[in-house]
Amino acid sequence: AQSVTQLDSQVPVFEEAPVELRCNYSSSVSVYLFWYVQYPNQGLQLLLKYLSGSTLVKGINGFEAEFNKSQTSFHLRKPSVHISDTAEYFCARAFSGSARQLTFGSGTQLTVLP
Amino acid sequence: EAQVTQNPRYLITVTGKKLTVTCSQNMNHEYMSWYRQDPGLGLRQIYYSMNVEVTDKGDVPEGYKVSRKEKRNFPLILESPSPNQTSLYFCASSLGPGFNSPLHFGNGTRLTVT
Repeated sequence: AQSVTQLDSQVPVFEEAPVELRCNYSSSVSVYLFWYVQYPNQGLQLLLKYLSGSTLVKGINGFEAEFNKSQTSFHLRKPSVHISDTAEYFCARAFSGSARQLTFGSGTQLTVLP
Repeated sequence: EAQVTQNPRYLITVTGKKLTVTCSQNMNHEYMSWYRQDPGLGLRQIYYSMNVEVTDKGDVPEGYKVSRKEKRNFPLILESPSPNQTSLYFCASSLGPGFNSPLHFGNGTRLTVT
């Protein structure tokens, strides 16, 4: 069973519009959750992470995500996107104490249109 | 500049011809890892290393070998490549195995096995 599900493989959105990229995870134990961004021909960069504490996590480039334990979700949001946000976004999960074993979702291609 | 360097960026080879993809980091990181990225599947971990001479299997280790003789280098070895190993490969490193230190990714190696 897929342990990290990104519900949308492609999300087109117009510049300055809000966006939400959805991520659901399957787990019955404590997890750590991450969002990574991949620009064309580059490796992944960490956008934000949830380890503990506040369920609303703020990251770089104006992105934020909310950890919702009851819905096992960790959706990524940005209130106003720019052309430069066009990239592939990956949600990832790890178990606490798991020696860095990240499980990635299949990715969401965000395309910001002028 | 702090970075993870992979070589080569592109590689085309034939079935059965042994190859090595190199990975080097200049940040004195303890933890290093290899992933493969395939369309619709996200990133899957191949092998990881917690420190020199300490390596372990990830989710998809079959057909791959690694070694960690020095802290900075973590080569990925394909003894007898097959077409199903055609993929985009990423090396990553972090200060330690915990999640408070971010993963730094290389720019990827695109391998084609014919």
